[in-house]
Amino acid sequence: KQEVTQIPAALSVPEGENLVLNCSFTDSAIYNLQWFRQDPGKGLTSLLLIQSSQREQTSGRLNASLDKSSGRSTLYIAASQPGDSATYLCAVFIIQGAQKLVFGQGTRLTINP
Amino acid sequence: DAGITQSPRHKVTETGTPVTLRCHQTENHRYMYWYRQDPGHGLRLIHYSYGVKDTDKGEVSDGYSVSRSKTEDFLLTLESATSSQTSVYFCAISDDRGLFYNEQFFGPGTRLTVL
Repeated sequence: KQEVTQIPAALSVPEGENLVLNCSFTDSAIYNLQWFRQDPGKGLTSLLLIQSSQREQTSGRLNASLDKSSGRSTLYIAASQPGDSATYLCAVFIIQGAQKLVFGQGTRLTINP
Repeated sequence: DAGITQSPRHKVTETGTPVTLRCHQTENHRYMYWYRQDPGHGLRLIHYSYGVKDTDKGEVSDGYSVSRSKTEDFLLTLESATSSQTSVYFCAISDDRGLFYNEQFFGPGTRLTVL
């Protein structure tokens, strides 16, 4: 059974720092990996999607990498801002009975001004 | 933002009553999903649809049924609500460009409380 883990569960850093969020998954048979952000009481916003054959994707200050063989992905946030404060979720897309996203528990990020 | 709306956004109901949640999309996407989000469990798939009248179960489908009579609408029904179904329910959609390109976009969620 696929399991997705995100460490740390919470992270607090001062504004302006570059930071890395980690995601690991137990089964390399994935089609893609998606990073989301979720603000309190809100829905999920898709940030980046990396197909299983890709190594990384970039969008603005965000860069996500994928190492499928080792079951790891990282989300790099450059020059962090208070507006980046949110919970960040990673999810892998698989077919296991149903086609579905399997989510990690998320990393709650706080950027301090 | 992807054109996804959910209704109602908040609902309080009593144990044993039927409840229907609606997801509406304006993107004409083929796939639609229902997830629930619970502390300690994260998001888990309830049911999904791969076309009009084509649906399949997810990992936590017991106590839930779905229907999709039009491309744009996906309904989730709790036949007889229980307190364990208190949760936040999210609808998601994705298009048909292939499994590797399957990017899911989420609605704003429905907060359901079963007393």
